[in-house]
Amino acid sequence: SQTIHQWPATLVQPVGSPLSLECTVEGTSNPNLYWYRQAAGRGLQLLFYSVGIGQISSEVPQNLSASRPQDRQFILSSKKLLLSDSGFYLCAWTRGDSTDTQYFGPGTRLTVL
Amino acid sequence: KQEVTQIPAALSVPEGENLVLNCSFTDSAIYNLQWFRQDPGKGLTSLLLIQSSQREQTSGRLNASLDKSSGRSTLYIAASQPGDSATYLCAVLNSNSGYALNFGKGTSLLVTP
Repeated sequence: SQTIHQWPATLVQPVGSPLSLECTVEGTSNPNLYWYRQAAGRGLQLLFYSVGIGQISSEVPQNLSASRPQDRQFILSSKKLLLSDSGFYLCAWTRGDSTDTQYFGPGTRLTVL
Repeated sequence: KQEVTQIPAALSVPEGENLVLNCSFTDSAIYNLQWFRQDPGKGLTSLLLIQSSQREQTSGRLNASLDKSSGRSTLYIAASQPGDSATYLCAVLNSNSGYALNFGKGTSLLVTP
């Protein structure tokens, strides 16, 4: 069966510090991978998606970046965090066709102070 | 751009009641519509997925309907229980963004004993 992991589960960082969040998927190959952010009072916002190794598409211009160094690993990064980066970050995967649901990880709660 | 709206934003009902959650979307060119459940501080759990060619899906006490032409979906929960308390999210899949989902802001449901 497939499993999706995210870490860390919670993170408190000062403004201006770097960020690295990691997501890995087990039990499947060549998944589509996604980073979403859920901020207070707002819906889930798509940040990045990837349909293959090294292929990253950005949906929202901001100070975040993403990378996919391996088939089942997706990393979200920032060089300098802003207060507005606070939120709940969710990684998800799908087999990459229109008939499949998306499977979500447990999320990372990021608080920027 | 696809816009997904969920009404009501919050709902409180006594245990045992049947209830309906509503979702509307602006672009009817969708592949599918999905309903998710989110418990506080947790990731998303898929409840039901309705393909664009389908009218409804059922799972246990849950029934979801889809009227693509009018851009509406409903999630019907029968005989509600306190364990149903959670946020319910509606999401639609369009052809853009690598099969990423467009989410509504959710309905926060509280079922009281």
